[in-house]
Amino acid sequence: DAKTTQPNSMESNEEEPVHLPCNHSTISGTDYIHWYRQLPSQGPEYVIHGLTSNVNNRMASLAIAEDRKSSTLILHRATLRDAAVYYCILSPFRGGSEKLVFGKGTKLTVNP
Amino acid sequence: DSGVTQTPKHLITATGQRVTLRCSPRSGDLSVYWYQQSLDQGLQFLIQYYNGEERAKGNILERFSAQQFPDLHSELNLSSLELGDSALYFCASSAGAIVAQETQYFGPGTRLLVL
Repeated sequence: DAKTTQPNSMESNEEEPVHLPCNHSTISGTDYIHWYRQLPSQGPEYVIHGLTSNVNNRMASLAIAEDRKSSTLILHRATLRDAAVYYCILSPFRGGSEKLVFGKGTKLTVNP
Repeated sequence: DSGVTQTPKHLITATGQRVTLRCSPRSGDLSVYWYQQSLDQGLQFLIQYYNGEERAKGNILERFSAQQFPDLHSELNLSSLELGDSALYFCASSAGAIVAQETQYFGPGTRLLVL
């Protein structure tokens, strides 16, 4: 399975945009890019996912590089509630035996 | 609130014992997933059921088993418990079976402590 590389930690200030990078240089054409986050003492929470085109939802935006070897999760205005571990995950589209493989993620600290 | 419920929230037991964790998926979701999160291993996928049938298996030990019932709730059975089984166990659900295209909704987890 293709791997992802994320920084261990990042810091941001409240109300500023946050760009969380993810490298996935061995991505295949059928791998979807998923982002989940886990707030302290909670279960993971879906953020966004995409295949080739940039995606937007109420929580965040996902910018996917043209060669798909990297992607960036964008939080437009960070709040204290966005402090969490963010996981970038590749999920191959194929029949059976798919699974989400969570790495160590990026721990985001948001300063007031 | 994700709509996924898990019981119990906390469980303390002794080595060698057997426990059952229960999960109720979101209304309408047919897939249920189980994950284990420990400090040293991170979040690990255990098993997926779709509409009552096992669909995918991860690093699930032979001492662990799961099933999904006709009403779509799922149970994870852990037997011959060892100290290393102490962890958070999360259940997630999704509408369909194709993981790549699905959003998984996670429950609040069951914290298991084996003494």
